[in-house]
Amino acid sequence: SQKIEQNSEALNIQEGKTATLTCNYTNYSPAYLQWYRQDPGRGPVFLLLIRENEKEKRKERLKVTFDTTLKQSLFHITASQPADSATYLCALSIYNQGGKLIFGQGTELSVKP
Amino acid sequence: GAGVSQSPSNKVTEKGKDVELRCDPISGHTALYWYRQSLGQGLEFLIYFQGNSAPDKSGLPSDRFSAERTGGSVSTLTIQRTQQEDSAVYLCASSFGTGANNSPLHFGNGTRLTVT
Repeated sequence: SQKIEQNSEALNIQEGKTATLTCNYTNYSPAYLQWYRQDPGRGPVFLLLIRENEKEKRKERLKVTFDTTLKQSLFHITASQPADSATYLCALSIYNQGGKLIFGQGTELSVKP
Repeated sequence: GAGVSQSPSNKVTEKGKDVELRCDPISGHTALYWYRQSLGQGLEFLIYFQGNSAPDKSGLPSDRFSAERTGGSVSTLTIQRTQQEDSAVYLCASSFGTGANNSPLHFGNGTRLTVT
């Protein structure tokens, strides 16, 4: 069956450290992978997109990698801050399934001062 | 410019009643999505509209759920004969293109539906 899996346990880290979140998928051939941030009571907000032929994408303190062999994406936040505390969702856009995005269940990140 | 607007923000209804949830997408966005998010869970895809094409309804959980998009803009998600398991946050998103075309989704803040 097709699955998108993210760390189900919350990730707790100290301010200033690098947070690394994982997104694994099975039985999908994604065209693109996107990462979103969601704060309580709010809709998700787009952060980064990476294509299947890209290995890495950066934006300020954020970095995303995409390994289609391992079927995995890693999302890094360097020099983390308490304001980075939120739930982070990965989403796949699948070939031959039009434009719909399939989301993982999200990983909650807590950055302690 | 305004973002995606959803109404109502909260809805409490009795089991068996019908509800309508409204989504106003960003002007000019051709794609519109509905997702459902239960407490502590990820986003469950429901339905996707792209321009004038037939919608992708593959995520609708039962025939009690339906959605329409009038004039390529406003969308309404209707749930008939609501059940307690329908309780969730219903999120709407729009995008300029499609997820497959490198277009990020812009989400509203959702409608929290509680079925008593």
